[in-house]
Amino acid sequence: AQSVSQHNHHVILSEAASLELGCNYSYGGTVNLFWYVQYPGQHLQLLLKYFSGDPLVKGIKGFEAEFIKSKFSFNLRKPSVQWSDTAEYFCAVTPGRGGYNKLIFGAGTRLAVHP
Amino acid sequence: KAGVTQTPRYLIKTRGQQVTLSCSPISGHRSVSWYQQTPGQGLQFLFEYFSETQRNKGNFPGRFSGRQFSNSRSEMNVSTLELGDSALYLCASSSSNEQFFGPGTRLTVL
Repeated sequence: AQSVSQHNHHVILSEAASLELGCNYSYGGTVNLFWYVQYPGQHLQLLLKYFSGDPLVKGIKGFEAEFIKSKFSFNLRKPSVQWSDTAEYFCAVTPGRGGYNKLIFGAGTRLAVHP
Repeated sequence: KAGVTQTPRYLIKTRGQQVTLSCSPISGHRSVSWYQQTPGQGLQFLFEYFSETQRNKGNFPGRFSGRQFSNSRSEMNVSTLELGDSALYLCASSSSNEQFFGPGTRLTVL
């Protein structure tokens, strides 16, 4: 069965620190990869997505992620975090062919950014 | 464009009752998916409907069911509620491979 692992459940950073959140998935075939963010009291929002092509994808608010196929990883990065990045971050996958919209989510990482 | 809307936003039920939650997708979106979010299990896929047909199903018991209408609006039903069904139920609509989530319905089972 497909699964998604997020290594860090809680991360605490100071503003301007760099961020990297790990995500690994288990699925042997083609996958679509996503990072979603849930700000306090708000909807889940898409940060970025990877379907194919350049493995380094850029998303909103300065976030980027790199797909490394050999490592089954899709880590999220941001060079300098802000207090407003405090949120919960979810990595998710769907099978690349015929997987339609069945998102398999990781457990999430709660990020707290201190001023 | 209006986003995904879910009603009601909050619901309190007692064990053994049943509940129906509603989701209106973004206009033009034909796919609606449902997810359950709990502190212990995280976000779990329930099912997806596309053009009034269930296209994908997660690993939930038969007490969880859904349907989709010709206008793409969807409902999910949970029968014989259990305490463990307390959760945030999220609906997402899609026109391709990207899903847009609604605010959720928070169900509390007492």
